[in-house]
Amino acid sequence: EIVLTQSPGTLSLSPGERATLSCRASQRLSNTYLAWYQQKPGQAPRLLIYSTSSRAPGIPDRFSGSGSGTDFTLTISRLEPEDFAVYYCQQYVTSPPTFGPGTKVDI
Amino acid sequence: QVQLVQSGAEVKKPGSSVKVSCKASGGTFSSYAISWVRQAPGQGLEWVGGIIPFFGTANYAQKFQGRVTFTADKSTRTAYMELSGLRSEDTAVYYCARGGVVVTASAFDIWGQGTMVTVSS
Repeated sequence: EIVLTQSPGTLSLSPGERATLSCRASQRLSNTYLAWYQQKPGQAPRLLIYSTSSRAPGIPDRFSGSGSGTDFTLTISRLEPEDFAVYYCQQYVTSPPTFGPGTKVDI
Repeated sequence: QVQLVQSGAEVKKPGSSVKVSCKASGGTFSSYAISWVRQAPGQGLEWVGGIIPFFGTANYAQKFQGRVTFTADKSTRTAYMELSGLRSEDTAVYYCARGGVVVTASAFDIWGQGTMVTVSS
């Protein structure tokens, strides 16, 4: 199965700053089937990005995704207070779908 | 817009079974895959498997093969996950989530609220 590694584990930033989150796959993803989710305490994950760079409906344009091969990035251009959360990447290129361990974005 | 509503929290003894339900309201139900994803306390997300209600075909993560069964009732728009042989390591929040038309090749755009399953003697 494909193992996803996320870095950093924790990102300490302030509102208004730019956040860059990394997701690395243990093998090359043959297509763009990579997604990003946001999870806040006590809540279910929320889909932000699918197919590497497509925003899910209702997701603000300050969230953007990019990457290819083994290296993928989620960028939050200007952090809003509600963006402080844990972010997970997920590949769905091969079975089983797998998730990264998460990056916590905190103040 | 589809919403997924799950059954309530469960406390089970080791070795027993649990059955969690996931009821869809609004939108299309049976054509899309419903996957189950679990999250142990303080841990990350783990795909358990999924089912396409229209066909009743299921895919299971190898780790859970033989212990988990997914079913779906199209008439009530409800999907079920039954996990047997429970052990303490199965203590987690179990989420149902809507995927695409292929169980294993989907991002999950709609999630249930989660069901806490606690396994304790």
